[in-house]
Amino acid sequence: QKEVEQDPGPLSVPEGAIVSLNCTYSNSAFQYFMWYRQYSRKGPELLMYTYSSGNKEDGRFTAQVDKSSKYISLFIRDSQPSDSATYLCAISGGSNYKLTFGKGTLLTVNP
Amino acid sequence: EPEVTQTPSHQVTQMGQEVILRCVPISNHLYFYWYRQILGQKVEFLVSFYNNEISEKSEIFDDQFSVERPDGSNFTLKIRSTKLEDSAMYFCASSENPRSGDGYTFGSGTRLTVV
Repeated sequence: QKEVEQDPGPLSVPEGAIVSLNCTYSNSAFQYFMWYRQYSRKGPELLMYTYSSGNKEDGRFTAQVDKSSKYISLFIRDSQPSDSATYLCAISGGSNYKLTFGKGTLLTVNP
Repeated sequence: EPEVTQTPSHQVTQMGQEVILRCVPISNHLYFYWYRQILGQKVEFLVSFYNNEISEKSEIFDDQFSVERPDGSNFTLKIRSTKLEDSAMYFCASSENPRSGDGYTFGSGTRLTVV
């Protein structure tokens, strides 16, 4: 079983839609959960960081973690064309806190 | 806002040649990482570096690869005798404290093309 699984999409939505992005993971030792945004040929940019089950909100973005189900989500409200990018979930834990990434979901928000 | 800087942005090299990819992490960060991303694939962990030594390396990081922090500010990844399959984006990342809410800051990457 892969450590982190993420539906690669692509996902295409109209402007203003609510977007839901999801990942599952297999290792219960993972402690820290992140969402990164990556534009084409650029480095990942941290959007959200959480380490506990529950919701964390930042503006139009909400990160949700369910450790019992090993399931993490990112919700984007009132999506904008500028949100068009690849969204990567990343999870870390262990002694060196290396990141294990999902494959990324390509999102396009159409004006 | 502090940045992780990587140079060059793009490097083309012939198979069998050595390349050095350079990174300047954020100045107060203590944890350093190299990741790579082959086109269309996941971002993959290569190596982590803390306290002037490798703290963990992946199975990808074989004897062909080495890392160095030569002068207290730069952090380099050397690939000896490059192969076609080394073509990828290579990202450097740094963190002050990976358990903190700031996570990791990535550079913009070096696109390595081996021909």
